[in-house]
Amino acid sequence: DTAVSQTPKYLVTQMGNDKSIKCEQNLGHDTMYWYKQDSKKFLKIMFSYNNKELIINETVPNRFSPKSPDKAHLNLHINSLELGDSAVYFCASSRGGTELSGNTIYFGEGSWLTVV
Amino acid sequence: GQNIDQPTEMTATEGAIVQINCTYQTSGFNGLFWYQQHAGEAPTFLSYNVLDGLEEKGRFSSFLSRSKGYSYLLLKELQMKDSASYLCAAMDSNYQLIWGAGTKLIIKP
Repeated sequence: DTAVSQTPKYLVTQMGNDKSIKCEQNLGHDTMYWYKQDSKKFLKIMFSYNNKELIINETVPNRFSPKSPDKAHLNLHINSLELGDSAVYFCASSRGGTELSGNTIYFGEGSWLTVV
Repeated sequence: GQNIDQPTEMTATEGAIVQINCTYQTSGFNGLFWYQQHAGEAPTFLSYNVLDGLEEKGRFSSFLSRSKGYSYLLLKELQMKDSASYLCAAMDSNYQLIWGAGTKLIIKP
């Protein structure tokens, strides 16, 4: 069973559309994340949720809205898509908290978003 | 500011040894992670160092010097499947990961 799964894996859509990427983890982790990996390969955190509560919200356009219905799910909704939103979006999870040994982050397979 | 530096690309020969260096500057420090990312795939965890010294795990070893803000990943007996990007990430005082852009490792026969 995949530990962190996200769908869709590939998404091609037109500018101005609204789309969602779903993420689920079956690791029993408390913390989930959305990362964006751009063409320069930097992984940039967008959001982090701990037990369904938002704890990190980096400087991300408000067109991006995360939703966590429960601690095993963190979905990403994007409104009014722009060309610059084209990237790979990774969902991830970790045990969270301040326990150093528990902070390994496990990534989903990525969602390749192309805005045309 | 917070910063991670690692070489953009390295080339090595199958069967050889390669060392990928990483220097970091963070607000506080709670450990250094190495991840492997094959092209088109998600990063996967390789190692975590929080104390100075060398941690060995099979063909891969990771070293940390906190006083120098420096880490390296050592890969021995290189195999073609080791061709990937290797991401260095440092955890700051808020337990947030600061990621480098990754080192693309090319293995030649």
